[in-house]
Amino acid sequence: NAGVTQTPKFRILKIGQSMTLQCTQDMNHNYMYWYRQDPGMGLKLIYYSVGAGITDKGEVPNGYNVSRSTTEDFPLRLELAAPSQTSVYFCASSRTELQETQYFGPGTRLLVL
Amino acid sequence: DQQVKQNSPSLSVQEGRISILNCDYTNSMFDYFLWYKKYPAEGPTFLISISSIKDKNEDGRFTVFLNKSAKHLSLHIVPSQPGDSAVYFCAATRALYTGTASKLTFGTGTRLQVTL
Repeated sequence: NAGVTQTPKFRILKIGQSMTLQCTQDMNHNYMYWYRQDPGMGLKLIYYSVGAGITDKGEVPNGYNVSRSTTEDFPLRLELAAPSQTSVYFCASSRTELQETQYFGPGTRLLVL
Repeated sequence: DQQVKQNSPSLSVQEGRISILNCDYTNSMFDYFLWYKKYPAEGPTFLISISSIKDKNEDGRFTVFLNKSAKHLSLHIVPSQPGDSAVYFCAATRALYTGTASKLTFGTGTRLQVTL
């Protein structure tokens, strides 16, 4: 049981490049989330999904896109990377909408230069 | 606008002593609060939570206290152990916000170091 896995662990992007951060969970959770954590700051919700085919914006969605075609996967797409997107990205999943049941992945560190 | 604040970026405590981590919030609509623990290179893990209908919740060595009038909560760890060394995040939400996934507002975190 791997829980929540994220790939890659670390990536350097040039300004204007695009990439997809992968997130997979094997717990059959309906709810999935993407957060970013900037240096010295708390986590902020980018996008979330309450089930396959359903996504919605969080607090900081600009510059990102998501899709949820399966229960297991919730990829985060960055189009036209900007230095402001330098951050650590965490994916999480939960069986219910109760926050204590959120399981986090180990994170993806992204550096945009 | 930082709605959840952890004003102490770091805290050092001796093993066996009490660790007290503080958190303040400004949004009076928040009615559910959580503490997460984070080790380096790992994602946060849930530690303990408290609803606004309570003023205290205890789980083993961890106790969270909520003072609604002061909009303040604190996490007490007794006794502190070296394995408790981590970053602790306070988070808040409106638990009655149902229908879609509720949204957490996180504090900036406090790095706790428990020394021998």
